[in-house]
Amino acid sequence: EAGVAQSPRYKIIEKRQSVAFWCNPISGHATLYWYQQILGQGPKLLIQFQNNGVVDDSQLPKDRFSAERLKGVDSTLKIQPAKLEDSAVYLCASSLTELYSGNTIYFGEGSWLTVV
Amino acid sequence: SQQGEEDPQALSIQEGENATMNCSYKTSINNLQWYRQNSGRGLVHLILIRSNEREKHSGRLRVTLDTSKKSSSLLITASRAADTASYFCATDATGANSKLTFGKGITLSVRP
Repeated sequence: EAGVAQSPRYKIIEKRQSVAFWCNPISGHATLYWYQQILGQGPKLLIQFQNNGVVDDSQLPKDRFSAERLKGVDSTLKIQPAKLEDSAVYLCASSLTELYSGNTIYFGEGSWLTVV
Repeated sequence: SQQGEEDPQALSIQEGENATMNCSYKTSINNLQWYRQNSGRGLVHLILIRSNEREKHSGRLRVTLDTSKKSSSLLITASRAADTASYFCATDATGANSKLTFGKGITLSVRP
């Protein structure tokens, strides 16, 4: 079974530039998550999709971050304009259904962003 | 905000010894999960324990859950150098739109 695919793996941009990350979840997984992990900290949920609808985006900085999940499969996360504090690993994850049914979530390898 | 708080923040042991890591949380949960993250990699699911379970085993892993104390522990027996990684507890809080909330993690170093 293929895992969660993310690209690019590494990206260096200057502040105020834009960047986009792509995620392809495990086939058949209805729920998709984007987490931000700053060095030395645990992952923080940015946005959660159920199929192509947003379930939770309460911690997404909507003035600069946007995400979409077209057709309920692939997803993109965009940052525009980037700030220095956006330097982090952006982890995409997916699960079969909602978490309260006890499903495990599966993470991709992450997209490492450095803003200079 | 991060619900799970792991303890200790860092742990260094000799290969063959047991490693015990603790996690405390604040609100009611559906389940609690432990994940491992090797340096530069994504997170890997280790074990899930539901709120109505008290103990669970998987290979060399043993997880306990005490909902009255809102705490969990992860025991790795007979540790190996390959167990060197960061370990995170994550809670699935009860309520609408439940999501997995991670702690800051524990850095485990196993010396050969």
